Amino acid sequence: QKEVEQDPGPLSVPEGAIVSLNCTYSNSAFQYFMWYRQYSRKGPELLMYTYSSGNKEDGRFTAQVDKSSKYISLFIRDSQPSDSATYLCAMSGGTGFQKLVFGTGTRLLVSP
Amino acid sequence: ETGVTQSPTHLIKTRGQQVTLRCSSQSGHNTVSWYQQALGQGPQFIFQYYREEENGRGNFPPRFSGLQFPNYSSELNVNALELDDSALYLCASSFGVSGNTIYFGEGSWLTVV
Repeated sequence: QKEVEQDPGPLSVPEGAIVSLNCTYSNSAFQYFMWYRQYSRKGPELLMYTYSSGNKEDGRFTAQVDKSSKYISLFIRDSQPSDSATYLCAMSGGTGFQKLVFGTGTRLLVSP
Repeated sequence: ETGVTQSPTHLIKTRGQQVTLRCSSQSGHNTVSWYQQALGQGPQFIFQYYREEENGRGNFPPRFSGLQFPNYSSELNVNALELDDSALYLCASSFGVSGNTIYFGEGSWLTVV
């Protein structure tokens, strides 16, 4: 079993839809949770960073962390075609160094 | 732009050869990590350098090695290249050893033939 599980998609939605992306994890030592966006053949771009449980909002993006369920989510409101990319969840903690453990990524396609 | 720059952007090597990839970290960042991302997969942690010392390593063999220089730039060296080493190699920089935001460069695409 992988430490971090993420549905690879693809997830296809119409422009303006609310998108929900999710990851589950097994390592209870994880404390830091991130979402990255990666366009084709580019490096990952940090979208959201959350410490421990709770919600964080930044513009159209909301990140949620539920440590009791080992479940994290990213919501995208009013999705745009430019949001079409692969979304990677990543998490770290418990090692004493900054080892990020990633999901496989969910490919999102937003159609006009 | 994250301020993390990598070179070269693309390269092709033959099995058994050696390769060196380079990374300049974001200004003010003293920690550099390297990741390998195979097609269709999430990045896999190779190792981390802090103050010129390796202070964390993932499940990669010793033929993957690195350096960090006094200006915090870094190199990833891979010896005895194998076909499975074909991947996007990502450099990431941050401040401190844990718990801080991590920014990635655009990566170096390595193809081993």
